[in-house]
Order: sequence, then C-alpha cells, then structure tokens
Amino acid sequence: DADVTQTPRNRITKTGKRIMLECSQTKGHDRMYWYRQDPGLGLRLIYYSFDVKDINKGEISDGYSVSRQAQAKFSLSLESAIPNQTALYFCATSDPGSSGANVLTFGAGSRLTVL
Amino acid sequence: QQQVKQSPQSLIVQKGGISIINCAYENTAFDYFPWYQQFPGKGPALLIAIRPDVSEKKEGRFTISFNKSAKQFSLHIMDSQPGDSATYFCAASINYQLIWGAGTKLIIKP
Repeated sequence: DADVTQTPRNRITKTGKRIMLECSQTKGHDRMYWYRQDPGLGLRLIYYSFDVKDINKGEISDGYSVSRQAQAKFSLSLESAIPNQTALYFCATSDPGSSGANVLTFGAGSRLTVL
Repeated sequence: QQQVKQSPQSLIVQKGGISIINCAYENTAFDYFPWYQQFPGKGPALLIAIRPDVSEKKEGRFTISFNKSAKQFSLHIMDSQPGDSATYFCAASINYQLIWGAGTKLIIKP
C-alpha cells in the first residue's frame, strides 16, 4: 500500500456541489498538507496541519476547508465547487526529523473537474 | 520576496546530453533548497536537496549547483536518459514552509 493514499483519484462534478477529497497516511507523520497543482503555476499550498489540533491556512485557502480527523487522516472540502477549482490536488506529509529538512511525501493526486 | 522563479518552462534534450534547470530566489532567509521530480500520474518525490552552506551536491547523475551571492541554484542531469523525462520542481524552504517554482517539463529524446 502507498504511504499516502488519496481518494478519489478522479472526480467530475458540477458547479455548486460539495466535494470532499480524502487523504490517509501510514508514515506516522504529524504534518500534513493539501496542495493544488495547475499547469505553469507549480504547487500552491491550500491548508496545512502540524497535528490534530492545529490547522492553518495556506496561500489559496478561499473556497476550501479541511478537517484533521486523526493523525493519519486529513480531508479537503469544497463546499460549493466552481469551475476554476478544476485542478490536480495533492496531499502530502512530512516529518523534519533530526536533519530539520522538511521532506514531503506526496500522494498520487486527485484530479477534480468542475463543470 | 517569497517567489522562486524557475526556468525554462519546458526543455528537450537528446539522450546522453546534459539537462540544466535554473531557479532564482530573493529571500536570503531560505535555508533549504530541494528539487522534486514528478512523473505523469504520480505525486512529486524528493530528488536531491542542498543547504546554502554548500556550493554543490552530487548524487549519481544529478547535481545541484548553488550560488549564494547570485541567489541562484540549478539542477544538472548528466547523461540524460529517456527515463528522466518528467516535470522537475525547485523549491526553497524557511522553517516549515516550502515555496515552489513553477516547474519544468523535461523531455529526453532517444
């Protein structure tokens, strides 16, 4: 099994619908992230969480919300999806460890299309 | 000041050639500079990383060159192979936060 599992892998929905993307990890990492990838724009941070009781907004949090249900689970919700939220979404985890380097482990991505 | 500018956006290199991708940053407080490699249908994965107290780091065919005074760093892929075809992202980190470049799509022609 993958260290970071995202579901669903692909989703097509309509404008105004509520969508939840789920992420679970077996790395045992405390830090979890949600990123959005768009062509030519790289990866942009939506939300991040350093532990179950810690949730922080990233650079593009508007229109999104998150829930950290457990150390291993971090969900991203779009309350009312709009077409410009069509993108590839990635969940990631990290554990700086003794080196202090924030190495991210990514899931395989969830491709969301909003019609 | 938080931006990381990556170039080129796309790159085509012949098999056996050298692939070079460049990144520039402004914030001198960045203390960690990773490169991630992403294959189609996969998430990015750490390829190689460097800290600013080192001017070069080599791992196999992959080398990071770091120029602190110019605030630039680059990824060199020697003897490029078709299996290296992927999208490459540079990033710069301060504390927990990673600032990403826009990515370079590399194609290695056989």
